[in-house]
Amino acid sequence: AQSVTQLDSQVPVFEEAPVELRCNYSSSVSVYLFWYVQYPNQGLQLLLKYLSGSTLVKGINGFEAEFNKSQTSFHLRKPSVHISDTAEYFCAVSRDDKIIFGKGTRLHILP
Amino acid sequence: DAGITQSPRHKVTETGTPVTLRCHQTENHRYMYWYRQDPGHGLRLIHYSYGVKDTDKGEVSDGYSVSRSKTEDFLLTLESATSSQTSVYFCATGINNQPQHFGDGTRLSIL
Repeated sequence: AQSVTQLDSQVPVFEEAPVELRCNYSSSVSVYLFWYVQYPNQGLQLLLKYLSGSTLVKGINGFEAEFNKSQTSFHLRKPSVHISDTAEYFCAVSRDDKIIFGKGTRLHILP
Repeated sequence: DAGITQSPRHKVTETGTPVTLRCHQTENHRYMYWYRQDPGHGLRLIHYSYGVKDTDKGEVSDGYSVSRSKTEDFLLTLESATSSQTSVYFCATGINNQPQHFGDGTRLSIL
């Protein structure tokens, strides 16, 4: 069975500082990988996805993620965060028509 | 909002009563999903559909059933609601097996 582990439940970071949200997955076969963002009281929104090809994937709002097959990781990064990035971020893996989500990482932006 | 409407948005009901949640999409996406979101668990897949009358179970399907008689509608039914089913329910649609768009959620409380 495949699973997704988000290593940090909460990440505090100062405004304009860089941030990395970590995600590891377990699977012995090829998978698709995703990051979603959930703003307070809203549904999820797709940030970016890795299907194949380049291991560095760029998404919306200045986020990017790097697929590392050897480390089975798909960490999300942003070089400079803004207060509007305050949200919960979910990593997800897809295989055989099923999408499995991690438990989420809350990003707190400090002034 | 990518044309996804969930109804109702809020519901309070009693243990043992039947409950049906509706998801309506206007994008003609083949895939539709029902998730529940609970603190500390992230999003967990209840059921999904890959076409009209084609559905399959997710990781937490016990106590839930679904139906999809038209492309645009995906219904989630709790035959006899229990307090453990108190949650926020999200519908999503997608192309292939990738949830792209989420509804705004239904907050269900079972007393």
